[in-house]
Formats: sequence, structure tokens, C-alpha cells
Amino acid sequence: QKEVEQDPGPLSVPEGAIVSLNCTYSNSAFQYFMWYRQYSRKGPELLMYTYSSGNKEDGRFTAQVDKSSKYISLFIRDSQPSDSATYLCAMSEGLTGGGNKLTFGTGTQLKVEL
Amino acid sequence: DAGITQSPRYKITETGRQVTLMCHQTWSHSYMFWYRQDLGHGLRLIYYSAAADITDKGEVSDGYVVSRSKTENFPLTLESATRSQTSVYFCASSSLAGRETQYFGPGTRLLVL
Repeated sequence: QKEVEQDPGPLSVPEGAIVSLNCTYSNSAFQYFMWYRQYSRKGPELLMYTYSSGNKEDGRFTAQVDKSSKYISLFIRDSQPSDSATYLCAMSEGLTGGGNKLTFGTGTQLKVEL
Repeated sequence: DAGITQSPRYKITETGRQVTLMCHQTWSHSYMFWYRQDLGHGLRLIYYSAAADITDKGEVSDGYVVSRSKTENFPLTLESATRSQTSVYFCASSSLAGRETQYFGPGTRLLVL
């Protein structure tokens, strides 16, 4: 079993829909949780960064972490065609600035249709 | 501000050949990483480096070699390429400071025939 599980999709939604993306994990030592967005043929770029449990909001994006259930979510409100990308969750036991390694999910491919 | 660059962006090689993928960052970040991305596996760590002349193996290091003589460069070498090393390779970097996460390069698509 993988340390981080993520549904690969693809997920197709109409423009304006609320999108929910999720990951589950097995390592209870994970403390830092990230969502990366990856456009086709590009490198991943950081979208959201959360420490421990709770919610974090940034514009149309909300990240939720439930450490008791080992479950994290990314919500996208009022989805736009420009949100079409692959979304990767990533986790680490410590600050990545300290060299702690990231463990990634396989990514969920999202398509927002006009 | 160039950030993090990788070269070449695309490479076709043959089984058994040596291949070197280059990574260069302009931020003076201490940490640098190499990942490979494959369908169904996501991003997997190959090697990482905490500073010049300090490197360590990741999850899938067999068949790969790295060096880091300068802070800004972190080349990855496939000593004798195999078909299973066909993949997209990403370099990333992060600083020592606080909550910095990893910043990724644009990737190198490698095909081993």
C-alpha cells in the first residue's frame, strides 16, 4: 500500500462548479501538507501549504487537513477552465526547508469545461 | 530572475549509453532534489543534496549518480541507461529558511530506446 493515496481521475466538471480533491495517507508523522498544481508539460507549482490540522483559504482555494482521519482535501470554488491541470498532494514530516523529503500522491487530473 | 532551469528539455538515447541531465538554480538554495515522474507512481525522489558536496539517496536511486560541486548546479547522470529509466525528470530546490517548500524546474523528458 502506498504511503499517500490519491484518486487519479480524470475529473471533469462544468465551469463554476465546486471541485473537491482528496488524499489519504498512512504515516501519522506527517505534519506539513501541500497541494501542487501541474499544467501539462510543466513542473509542479505550489498552490497551498498547511501545517497540522485545520483549514486554510486563499482566494477560491481552501485546503483542509484532518489528521485524526489522515485525510486532506483541496476545494476549488467557482472553477475556471484555467484550473484544468493535475493536482498533486504532498506531505512531509518536517519543514522542507530543513531537507525533509516530500511524499507525493499520484495526482488527480482535473478538467473544467466551458 | 531565471529561477530553476533544466537541460535538455527533451532527450532520446539508447540503452547502455550514459546520459547527464542538468539542473541550475539562481536562488542560492541549499537543498536540491531530483525526482522522476511516471504514470501511476507520481513523483519519486531519486537523490537530494543538502549543500555542495553533500548528497544522499532517495527512494529510487539505483542506476543514477549525482554530484554537486557548486551550490547552483546539480547534475544527474544515468550511467548506463535502461528502458525503465524512460520518464520525466524534475529538479527542485528549497532554502534552509522556515517554511519554504520545494520549487520545481520545467522537467526533462527522457526516452530510452
